[in-house]
Amino acid sequence: EAGVAQSPRYKIIEKRQSVAFWCNPISGHATLYWYQQILGQGPKLLIQFQNNGVVDDSQLPKDRFSAERLKGVDSTLKIQPAKLEDSAVYLCASSLNPGTSGGEGDTQYFGPGTRLTVL
Amino acid sequence: LAKTTQPISMDSYEGQEVNITCSHNNIATNDYITWYQQFPSQGPRFIIQGYKTKVTNEVASLFIPADRKSSTLSLPRVSLSDTAVYYCLVTQWEYGNKLVFGAGTILRVKS
Repeated sequence: EAGVAQSPRYKIIEKRQSVAFWCNPISGHATLYWYQQILGQGPKLLIQFQNNGVVDDSQLPKDRFSAERLKGVDSTLKIQPAKLEDSAVYLCASSLNPGTSGGEGDTQYFGPGTRLTVL
Repeated sequence: LAKTTQPISMDSYEGQEVNITCSHNNIATNDYITWYQQFPSQGPRFIIQGYKTKVTNEVASLFIPADRKSSTLSLPRVSLSDTAVYYCLVTQWEYGNKLVFGAGTILRVKS
């Protein structure tokens, strides 16, 4: 079974530029997550999709970050314009069917991440 | 959302058993404990999940006492490749099973 795919793996941009990250979840997984992980910290959830609908985007800086999952499969996260403090690893994860109490359905599987450096 | 507390770092030697304890005082009845492992330049990887008593899989064991205010991840006979960051999370069904990561525990295994 293929895992969560992300691209690019690395990106270096100047501040105020735009950048986009792509994620393809595990086939059949209804839920997709984007996390931001700053060096030395644990991942922080930015946005959660259930199929093509947003479940939680409470921690997404909406003035500069946007995300979409139009067909309920792959997803794109965009930053426009980027700031120095956006330098981090952006992780995508997917799960089969969360919302149940325990069990295999809510286990999140993470991709390798995209390391963003903003200069 | 429930918060967890775990040691910042631990050191061990190859072949030893490692126990990482996590405290989670305000865990609710429907919540369960989940542990993830993260290597450098990789995304976190699910290790084990449990609700109460003991859970064991091919990688680790998870011990949860009756009061569920803490839990212990046990890694038997660690090797150098077990050097990683380990995250303890309370998965809360009430909040859509959202994962809230802390700083985790850096485990260093030495030869």
